[in-house]
Amino acid sequence: EVQLVQSGGGLEQPGRSLRLSCAASGFTFDDYAMHWVRQAPGKGLEWVSSISWNSASIGYADSVKGRFTVSRDNAKNSLYLQMNSLRSEDTALYYCAKDIGPLHPSSDAFNLWGQGTMVIVSS
Amino acid sequence: SYELTQPLSVSVALGQTARISCGGYNIGSKNVHWYQQRPGQAPVMVIYRGSNRPSGIPERFSGSNSGNTATLTISRAQVGDEGDYYCQVWDSRTVVFGGGTKLTV
Repeated sequence: EVQLVQSGGGLEQPGRSLRLSCAASGFTFDDYAMHWVRQAPGKGLEWVSSISWNSASIGYADSVKGRFTVSRDNAKNSLYLQMNSLRSEDTALYYCAKDIGPLHPSSDAFNLWGQGTMVIVSS
Repeated sequence: SYELTQPLSVSVALGQTARISCGGYNIGSKNVHWYQQRPGQAPVMVIYRGSNRPSGIPERFSGSNSGNTATLTISRAQVGDEGDYYCQVWDSRTVVFGGGTKLTV
């Protein structure tokens, strides 16, 4: 089955760190760029980060630049998001998503999404 | 930074046609993608590159894009089409989402 299964997340204090994981199956993971998108409670979708198929090109939203790091391990079919210096405004449901193509930046769409994992930043 | 503007809500009678707009400067020159998000679920791509429908999405869903407005059209609307709809483009190496439109049937 073609799917993305997410793990990680939870409740963390401001200033601390969390790591999200996204395990891919059912497709050739290293053929595609991957993305992280988040959704604050009751709000819309917000792009967080993207990584090309070979990790050569990476991008971040200004809101997380310098605090979050995206990475992938093609041998393990996995995508990661290391979240440091967490802030209350990082509280959101985080989705990983698969691009239609291999490149970042692309002009393309996200044709497969994970189930989402909740991150709550609060003291 | 580039902005996409969507109406907060659209209502349509059962079996009628719903149109959801997405406004942006010269959006007709960009690839526009649309996602449906039902309550409590992850988004699902329903239209990509302006007017292409992925497999498994009903023919009732169509898209167009010209000038400063892209439009998602849902024909013969059903109760199962209810949810939030988001448009998305790439601009200057970043991904931009519209604010989302809540569709009520």
